[in-house]
Amino acid sequence: GAGVSQSPRYKVAKRGQDVALRCDPISGHVSLFWYQQALGQGPEFLTYFQNEAQLDKSGLPSDRFFAERPEGSVSTLKIQRTQQEDSAVYLCASSLQTAPNSYNEQFFGPGTRLTVL
Amino acid sequence: AQTVTQSQPEMSVQEAETVTLSCTYDTSESDYYLFWYKQPPSRQMILVIRQEAYKQQNATENRFSVNFQKAAKSFSLKISDSQLGDAAMYFCALNNNDMRFGAGTRLTVKP
Repeated sequence: GAGVSQSPRYKVAKRGQDVALRCDPISGHVSLFWYQQALGQGPEFLTYFQNEAQLDKSGLPSDRFFAERPEGSVSTLKIQRTQQEDSAVYLCASSLQTAPNSYNEQFFGPGTRLTVL
Repeated sequence: AQTVTQSQPEMSVQEAETVTLSCTYDTSESDYYLFWYKQPPSRQMILVIRQEAYKQQNATENRFSVNFQKAAKSFSLKISDSQLGDAAMYFCALNNNDMRFGAGTRLTVKP
């Protein structure tokens, strides 16, 4: 069966460029999460959607980061005016859970590796 | 604030032997969930095992088991009969309204 997919898998951007990262969650999964994983570190929470509603964006590092999930399925993470410190792997995960505090497993995508030159 | 600490950046185990990966966490909540995820090189993160904080019994999944000590806020992972395919980064995670991950432990399995 289809898992979580992300595109592009690799993205190189010049400092100052805008980028858009896409996540296709598992069909029927209500919850969708974005994480940022710096080299040699664990994933850091960015934001959480339940269907189309963005219920938590406390992890977004600056107002240059914006995420949306307009129809409650595909999500896009947009980074404006990219900086070198934005270089990281961006992971998307989806889950059946309807509450953020849950036992349900999060299924992860392969990530998008963003390099900002 | 919730934090997850993995104090072992790297661990090594001989094939067929047993290894234990450490994890401690801090939370003020009494109801939460703990997870161990595995991230093989260049591959997706997958769930290894999970534990509900209100359950005293330690979770087990085949060769994988945990030692959950709620009072000590400790959640270690034991891998028995280690296999070459177990080589990966292992992340401990705490879920209470949002998922917090530790920095990871890189496990090497020697043939």
